[in-house]
Amino acid sequence: QQPVQSPQAVILREGEDAVINCSSSKALYSVHWYRQKHGEAPVFLMILLKGGEQKGHEKISASFNEKKQQSSLYLTASQLSYSGTYFCGTESRLQGAQKLVFGQGTRLTINP
Amino acid sequence: DVKVTQSSRYLVKRTGEKVFLECVQDMDHENMFWYRQDPGLGLRLIYFSYDVKMKEKGDIPEGYSVSREKKERFSLILESASTNQTSMYLCASSSGGLAGVFSYNEQFFGPGTRLTVL
Repeated sequence: QQPVQSPQAVILREGEDAVINCSSSKALYSVHWYRQKHGEAPVFLMILLKGGEQKGHEKISASFNEKKQQSSLYLTASQLSYSGTYFCGTESRLQGAQKLVFGQGTRLTINP
Repeated sequence: DVKVTQSSRYLVKRTGEKVFLECVQDMDHENMFWYRQDPGLGLRLIYFSYDVKMKEKGDIPEGYSVSREKKERFSLILESASTNQTSMYLCASSSGGLAGVFSYNEQFFGPGTRLTVL
């Protein structure tokens, strides 16, 4: 089952802050975040692991609440270059093969 | 820089044709993935491979098969293309092998192939 991202779309002015949420119905082992600009390939932003370990962008911050099975991506003082569609991918360690399942995406538009 | 290339950016095929989508990565990555991307549905995993000749089904494998004869190349095959397979197909790779298929390593994506089946 796909994680649910919210909001589906958001429009900001340059310099404003944004929070993108990712929520799963399953217990999570890790959460991945990617950004895709229009017509381009998705690009890695961050991985958050159960237990608190993180890997990723120095300028991007995110949280991972294991109990609530949620992650949030924080974009502060947004720049025009932040525009794009953001995807979270969640990994559950249940019986069977591990799978990374992506959400439906959040479209972020930054206006001057 | 890691580079993942896909054989075509745009492809138009007819219903019933056999379609091959090729993906090549140049960073000696163990893991390779095929996703399809549809509006409102995000990225959905079709198949992945953690080693040469090894493959695992993703969430939507029906109607697809894959081949990985060499480490750097991962092919997606549509045995008999149908109109509901019209989509954007993205290939990705990551390091780490089976132990690190998802948890620890970022995936590098190719530019995508937009396939239209008429």
